[in-house]
Amino acid sequence: AQTVTQSQPEMSVQEAETVTLSCTYDTSESDYYLFWYKQPPSRQMILVIRQEAYKQQNATENRFSVNFQKAAKSFSLKISDSQLGDAAMYFCAYYGEWDTGNQFYFGTGTSLTVIP
Amino acid sequence: GAVVSQHPSRVICKSGTSVKIECRSLDFQATTMFWYRQFPKKSLMLMATSNEGSKATYEQGVEKDKFLINHASLTLSTLTVTSAHPEDSSFYICSARNGTGFLHEQYFGPGTRLTVT
Repeated sequence: AQTVTQSQPEMSVQEAETVTLSCTYDTSESDYYLFWYKQPPSRQMILVIRQEAYKQQNATENRFSVNFQKAAKSFSLKISDSQLGDAAMYFCAYYGEWDTGNQFYFGTGTSLTVIP
Repeated sequence: GAVVSQHPSRVICKSGTSVKIECRSLDFQATTMFWYRQFPKKSLMLMATSNEGSKATYEQGVEKDKFLINHASLTLSTLTVTSAHPEDSSFYICSARNGTGFLHEQYFGPGTRLTVT
């Protein structure tokens, strides 16, 4: 089974500042997808950003961007100009294109606090 | 588009009773649905994968006789917790994969909080 590791259980950032959440994963696959999901207090899982492993360019979505280092199996999320609404649990997730399990693997999550 | 609903959002039941949770894809046909369990401040743990019209595939350690999953139509999957006990109290989340979409795309329901007294 694949493993996804988030080594930061909790992080905090000042409003309007930038924060980076870390994620590493282990796989022998070459084709896969990586995701960052946000889970606010409502508990609804929201897709923040997605990265295809075959793409060298880092994905960006407005204030959210990733630093994808395929060789290092690292996939960090950078949140710029942090807003109060960014406070949530963030989960890194992996999906293998050819994984026989055909499932998503989630990290343990990082709780982000935004300080006004 | 790609909305997934769950019902109920919260349920309290007595120990020994059964409770059913519904997961519906509202605007697409979901050939595959996933059921996750999440403990407070923990990650999502995949319980089972259900494909429409066939038996669910359960993850190791998940009791299939206790957590009955039915995926009878392309828009509805149900999770029934049978003979519930307090340790079954948890947050249950479903997700659905669009049958005509990419395999890596899944859409999450809002979750159901189960409390067993």
